Amino acid sequence: NAGVTQTPKFRVLKTGQSMTLLCAQDMNHEYMYWYRQDPGMGLRLIHYSVGEGTTAKGEVPDGYNVSRLKKQNFLLGLESAAPSQTSVYFCASSYSGAGGQETQYFGPGTRLLVL
Amino acid sequence: GENVEQHPSTLSVQEGDSAVIKCTYSDSASNYFPWYKQELGKGPQLIIDIRSNVGEKKDQRIAVTLNKTAKHFSLHITETQPEDSAVYFCAAINNQGGKLIFGQGTELSVKP
Repeated sequence: NAGVTQTPKFRVLKTGQSMTLLCAQDMNHEYMYWYRQDPGMGLRLIHYSVGEGTTAKGEVPDGYNVSRLKKQNFLLGLESAAPSQTSVYFCASSYSGAGGQETQYFGPGTRLLVL
Repeated sequence: GENVEQHPSTLSVQEGDSAVIKCTYSDSASNYFPWYKQELGKGPQLIIDIRSNVGEKKDQRIAVTLNKTAKHFSLHITETQPEDSAVYFCAAINNQGGKLIFGQGTELSVKP
């Protein structure tokens, strides 16, 4: 099992450009999440999904959109990148059901630099 | 909503010494408290957790304690080794519909 994989590993964007980050998991997890990690701020939830075709906002959703067309994939989109979106982005997945969000499995991260 | 504060932000110890990282939480309904370890260039990985009905849990050299009254929990690493060097995150959640909220992280450096 590959677990959770993320594509790309690193990307440089100019302000105003758009891009999509791809997350894939092969553990048949219902729940998937996108976090951003910034120095001194820990991991903050951007958006999450509790199943195929569903998405919901997290703590810091502004400037991002997501889609979950297939159970194994969760896409994070930046329509018009801003320097404030320079960060490391982590995708995670977990089981559903009672306590399902407890143990989350993380991908290796995508480092994004917006100039 | 839940807020988790973590201290210290950086911690440097000599190999063989103990390391303690502390977290406080604000929501008394939180009932599950995991700790994640993030090695350089990798995603966080769960290393130990504790539930609100337990005061202490151990797994070899690591242990976690929970004080529900004071709303704080701690990670203890004994006999530290260079491979313990990483960023550690605490988190808290009310698993009846809540979201996992992370602390700010502690960068632990174990010097040989």
